[in-house]
Amino acid sequence: DQQVKQNSPSLSVQEGRISILNCDYTNSMFDYFLWYKKYPAEGPTFLISISSIKDKNEDGRFTVFLNKSAKHLSLHIVPSQPGDSAVYFCAASGSGTYKYIFGTGTRLKVLA
Amino acid sequence: DGGITQSPKYLFRKEGQNVTLSCEQNLNHDAMYWYRQDPGQGLRLIYYSQIVNDFQKGDIAEGYSVSREKKESFPLTVTSAQKNPTAFYLCASQEGGAGQPQHFGDGTRLSIL
Repeated sequence: DQQVKQNSPSLSVQEGRISILNCDYTNSMFDYFLWYKKYPAEGPTFLISISSIKDKNEDGRFTVFLNKSAKHLSLHIVPSQPGDSAVYFCAASGSGTYKYIFGTGTRLKVLA
Repeated sequence: DGGITQSPKYLFRKEGQNVTLSCEQNLNHDAMYWYRQDPGQGLRLIYYSQIVNDFQKGDIAEGYSVSREKKESFPLTVTSAQKNPTAFYLCASQEGGAGQPQHFGDGTRLSIL
C-alpha cells in the first residue's frame, strides 16, 4: 500500500512559466512533508518543507501548499528555469518517528 | 565542508558474493539511513539507525545487514541472500527531531556481473 503518491511521472513546462508538482498521501498521522530534487546519479537535495500546522511555506521561487482535508500537497516553482529540470520527490513523516515515506517522483523538464 | 560520503560510486558483484557499501558523515547527526532506488520507484528504506550501536529494519531489509559502531559511519552489506541487488543505493543522515530534513550522499550503483 503506497502511502505517498505522485501520480504524474513526468511534466514539461516552458521556461519562465509555473511548474506545479503534486503529491497525495493516505495517512492522516503524517505531520511533516518535504520536497527533494534529484539529478541523475546524485543524491536527493532538500528543497523545502512544511508541517501540518501550516498550509503554505515559501522559499524564493519555491512554494509548498498543504491541504490537510484533501491529504494533498503541491510544489510550485515560479518562474521555472532549465536548471530546475530534475526528478522531484515528496516525502512524509509522522511525529515521533525518524522515518520518511517517499513518493515515486515526478520528472520535470523545463524547456528553454 | 560537512556532508555525507558514499563509496565507491560504482560497484560490481559476482553471484554469491557479499559486498559492503561505505557511508561516512561529518555532520554530527545521530540518525542514519540506507535507501534503495529502482527505476520508476521511490526511495525504499532498508535500515536505519537513530543512535550508535542500535539500528532497525526498514521496509526491505531482507538480504541486507548493517552496523553502527561509530556515529560517523553506517556501512551496508549486501549479502548473497539478496536475490535482486542491482540498484542505486543512497545513504542519508538526519539531525535529531521530527520533521528535520534528511541529507543524502551521492549514492552507490551496484551491478551484478
